[in-house]
Amino acid sequence: DADVTQTPRNRITKTGKRIMLECSQTKGHDRMYWYRQDPGLGLRLIYYSFDVKDINKGEISDGYSVSRQAQAKFSLSLESAIPNQTALYFCATSDLRERGKDTEAFFGQGTRLTVV
Amino acid sequence: ELKVEQNPLFLSMQEGKNYTIYCNYSTTSDRLYWYRQDPGKSLESLFVLLSNGAVKQEGRLMASLDTKARLSTLHITAAVHDLSATYFCAVNSNSGYALNFGKGTSLLVTP
Repeated sequence: DADVTQTPRNRITKTGKRIMLECSQTKGHDRMYWYRQDPGLGLRLIYYSFDVKDINKGEISDGYSVSRQAQAKFSLSLESAIPNQTALYFCATSDLRERGKDTEAFFGQGTRLTVV
Repeated sequence: ELKVEQNPLFLSMQEGKNYTIYCNYSTTSDRLYWYRQDPGKSLESLFVLLSNGAVKQEGRLMASLDTKARLSTLHITAAVHDLSATYFCAVNSNSGYALNFGKGTSLLVTP
């Protein structure tokens, strides 16, 4: 089983609908992230959470909201989906360690969302 | 705002050739990451560079970090087709540990 699991893997939804993307992790990491990937734009940070009570906006948070239900779960919601939110969405986790030790991020398999 | 710039964005190279991908970032950061992404797949961590002068190698790939110049390089030696993928560099923001990504370098290795 994957350490970082995203559901659904693919989703087509209509404009104006509310949709939730879910992410769960078994790595025991405190830090979780949602990124959006568009062709030619790399990955852009939507929201991040450093623990259950800490939620922070990223560079493109407008139109999105998140919920950190538990250390292992971080969900992303589109309250009213629009076509330009069509993208590949990635959840990631990382671990805060002492300076000098690895803090790489681990990514889920991605959710391909299409808004029609 | 931390900006991360990669170049080139597209690279087509012949098997057996060498090439370097560059990653510049705009503000002080103490660590840099390289990731690989195959089409339709997730991101796979390649290298974590944690200090000035750090150099790491894995097979035909070698990454280095110059924090004074705010520059990292990913050098490809004697490219093979299996290296065809998109490569991303990423840098921690100063306010925390959220990663800021470059736009990626799409590499195609041809016979």
